Amino acid sequence: GAVVSQHPSWVICKSGTSVKIECRSLDFQATTMFWYRQFPKQSLMLMATSNEGSKATYEQGVEKDKFLINHASLTLSTLTVTSAHPEDSSFYICSARDPGPQAAGNTIYFGEGSWLTVV
Amino acid sequence: AQTVTQSQPEMSVQEAETVTLSCTYDTSENNYYLFWYKQPPSRQMILVIRQEAYKQQNATENRFSVNFQKAAKSFSLKISDSQLGDTAMYFCAFMSLDFNKFYFGSGTKLNVKP
Repeated sequence: GAVVSQHPSWVICKSGTSVKIECRSLDFQATTMFWYRQFPKQSLMLMATSNEGSKATYEQGVEKDKFLINHASLTLSTLTVTSAHPEDSSFYICSARDPGPQAAGNTIYFGEGSWLTVV
Repeated sequence: AQTVTQSQPEMSVQEAETVTLSCTYDTSENNYYLFWYKQPPSRQMILVIRQEAYKQQNATENRFSVNFQKAAKSFSLKISDSQLGDTAMYFCAFMSLDFNKFYFGSGTKLNVKP
């Protein structure tokens, strides 16, 4: 079945540095990808929606200069947390939409998530 | 803006019994998609069931079924014959027809007791 691979699963970085998280659709072309942040015991907060070849659409309150999202190809989207600080520590999840054939299309697949710890 | 509300932070059910999780949403759109996802401790999101708003028939997937009330903007999940493996966080989600918005509710933690 279709898979979305998210990498790295775990990352620790120093405060002030930048870290990149990748989200890849392995056997389908993802026309749309979503990035979420999930705090412990809380819901998935939509950060931004990215469509291949265009700028990401950020949700209100999300700093687009801090959370850079790039969707350069139909199989890869990246989230870069710039100048990371301890408050950016969280679980980040991506999901990708597979438009697929008409009957079973528009299926959403989730990555495994990435734990970011900023020290 | 669309919002998704789950009013039950936590629920418990005895194994083999039935439980219903509530979800309401707010939208001005006429057509959209609704989902229930399960998130076990591994944090992997698992699709439980999906409903297209233009379909009047309630979706079913084995032990899982929904009660979709479009006018009331309600989308509840019924789990029949609950199993210990159903213990997880359950999230209700809304997706706009243009696929550019995909919002989740606050979640319901379901505990299935032996």
